[in-house]
Amino acid sequence: QKEVEQDPGPLSVPEGAIVSLNCTYSNSAFQYFMWYRQYSRKGPELLMYTYSSGNKEDGRFTAQVDKSSKYISLFIRDSQPSDSATYLCAMSDLNTNAGKSTFGDGTTLTVKP
Amino acid sequence: DAGVIQSPRHEVTEMGQEVTLRCKPISGHDYLFWYRQTMMRGLELLIYFNNNVPIDDSGMPEDRFSAKMPNASFSTLKIQPSEPRDSAVYFCASSKDREETQYFGPGTRLLVL
Repeated sequence: QKEVEQDPGPLSVPEGAIVSLNCTYSNSAFQYFMWYRQYSRKGPELLMYTYSSGNKEDGRFTAQVDKSSKYISLFIRDSQPSDSATYLCAMSDLNTNAGKSTFGDGTTLTVKP
Repeated sequence: DAGVIQSPRHEVTEMGQEVTLRCKPISGHDYLFWYRQTMMRGLELLIYFNNNVPIDDSGMPEDRFSAKMPNASFSTLKIQPSEPRDSAVYFCASSKDREETQYFGPGTRLLVL
């Protein structure tokens, strides 16, 4: 079983919908959580990061971490066609593997106009 | 800053040939990562360096793969001999200190015939 599990989708929604992307993990030592966005034929780019349980908001994006359930989510409000991309979660244990992140396989999202 | 620079952007070669991929990290970044991405296996960490020293090469699939970082501004990933199953997109990424935010290059698309 992988340390980080992510539903690959694909996920297709109409423009304006709220999107929920999720990852589960098994390593309770993970303490740093990230979401990357990858457009087709491009490298991943960091979208959001958080250290703690709870919510972190940035514009239309909200990252949520529930350490007790080992579950993280990314919500996209008022989704736009430009949000169409693959979203990868990533997480790190800074104490034992500084510098190394474990990535999910990514969820492919299409927002239809 | 120009970001992480990778070359070549595309490489087509025949089975058995040597392939060398190059990466220039962002200036001042202490960590450098090599990833491979395929549809089947997602994003896989191959090896990463800290201050030019290889820290973890457990993801390197076989002895055919080798990576070097002779100085802080340059790294290579070599495959010799190459095989069709090595066909993938290879990403280089760099990060600063323990911030964990990795900045990815545009990738090298490798096709081994």
